[in-house]
Amino acid sequence: AQKITQTQPGMFVQEKEAVTLDCTYDTSDPSYGLFWYKQPSSGEMIFLIYQGSYDQQNATEGRYSLNFQKARKSANLVISASQLGDSAMYFCAMTINQFYFGTGTSLTVIP
Amino acid sequence: DVKVTQSSRYLVKRTGEKVFLECVQDMDHENMFWYRQDPGLGLRLIYFSYDVKMKEKGDIPEGYSVSREKKERFSLILESASTNQTSMYLCASSYSQITPGPDTQYFGPGTRLTVL
Repeated sequence: AQKITQTQPGMFVQEKEAVTLDCTYDTSDPSYGLFWYKQPSSGEMIFLIYQGSYDQQNATEGRYSLNFQKARKSANLVISASQLGDSAMYFCAMTINQFYFGTGTSLTVIP
Repeated sequence: DVKVTQSSRYLVKRTGEKVFLECVQDMDHENMFWYRQDPGLGLRLIYFSYDVKMKEKGDIPEGYSVSREKKERFSLILESASTNQTSMYLCASSYSQITPGPDTQYFGPGTRLTVL
């Protein structure tokens, strides 16, 4: 069975600080993709970053980076220099033949 | 830019009513999806479609049906709405079938349905 786990229901971070959102996954399939999405209060899911299971280097997109530790089956999202606009729900997802989503982490950035 | 639109942002219906949620995408995507989002449960796949008139059950299809008569439009139908179907419904589309590759899904803004 495929499974994605996000153990942090809520997180707080000071503005301009870095924050790590945890994600672990469980699959026996050697080929998979890992995504992170941001969902502001408006409701729309916004794609942030992708990591393939065979990618050797960690993915980065601007202030977002994905800390991929394959042996540990973890795919943590790191947001550097947090901004007030980063306050949102964040979802980790894994793809094999469909998308499997975690339960989400609510991030609040404090001024 | 890909645009996925949903017919309503907020909807209030009564128990037993037939409810239609409409989703339209403008990028000629082959694949369309309906998810339900509940606090603490994340997104759960209800139905998806890889082509016109084709549909596949997701993880929680009970109480729902879908229709895809045109490539750009994917409808979710609640035949007889119940209070436990109160939820946020998200539609998504993607260019290709879901693979481990980087092709992401593009989401609509969601419909918050309340069944009284």
